[in-house]
Amino acid sequence: EAQLVESGGGLVQPGGSLRLSCAASGFTFNTYWMSWVRQAPGKGLEWVASIKQDGGETYYVDSAKGRLTISKDNAKNSLYLQMNSLRAEDTAVYYCAREYYSTFDVWGQGTMVTVSS
Amino acid sequence: EIVMTQSPATLSVSPGERATLSCRASQSVSSNLAWYQQKLGQAPRLLISGASTRATGIPARFSGSGSGTEFTLTISSLQSEDFAVYYCQQYNNWPPMYTFGQGTKLEIK
Repeated sequence: EAQLVESGGGLVQPGGSLRLSCAASGFTFNTYWMSWVRQAPGKGLEWVASIKQDGGETYYVDSAKGRLTISKDNAKNSLYLQMNSLRAEDTAVYYCAREYYSTFDVWGQGTMVTVSS
Repeated sequence: EIVMTQSPATLSVSPGERATLSCRASQSVSSNLAWYQQKLGQAPRLLISGASTRATGIPARFSGSGSGTEFTLTISSLQSEDFAVYYCQQYNNWPPMYTFGQGTKLEIK
């Protein structure tokens, strides 16, 4: 069974940095695009970033460009999101998700990121 | 950016009845439309892709229809476990710029 487990969330001050991780198991990680999707408290879903199977292409929502960086390590079956210059509006649950023909067919349980002083 | 608008924001339906949820795109997305279900405190679950194809393990009471800018998710006979928030998502762009609707909360009447 395909499974994704996120970690690395927490409380960070505005302007600070955080690195999220997502451990994948139960499927051939290096054959899938992967994404991060976030959900602010009480709000809807927002796609954040996607990365190609080999890590050679990455795409971001405009609000993330220049501050958030998606990466993956196929040898470790892991996906990452490096978050810099964090703002209050980045406060959300961050989900790691497997892409299947541009839909999200497997999701992790999410990790909470709170940006506050 | 393609804006997805869902209606209604909240839908009250009795168990056993039919629920019809709508999703409209600000421009054509062809059939590149997915539906997700999210229960409180849980991650979303993929229900429908390609506007009308059920994902693996999704019961037949869930059906999707539409193309272009107008889409519908129908739940034919509501079960207690179906009361949740539903989101539509378009994936028509390349490079990817996926967008979701704001969600419809399906509640027990």
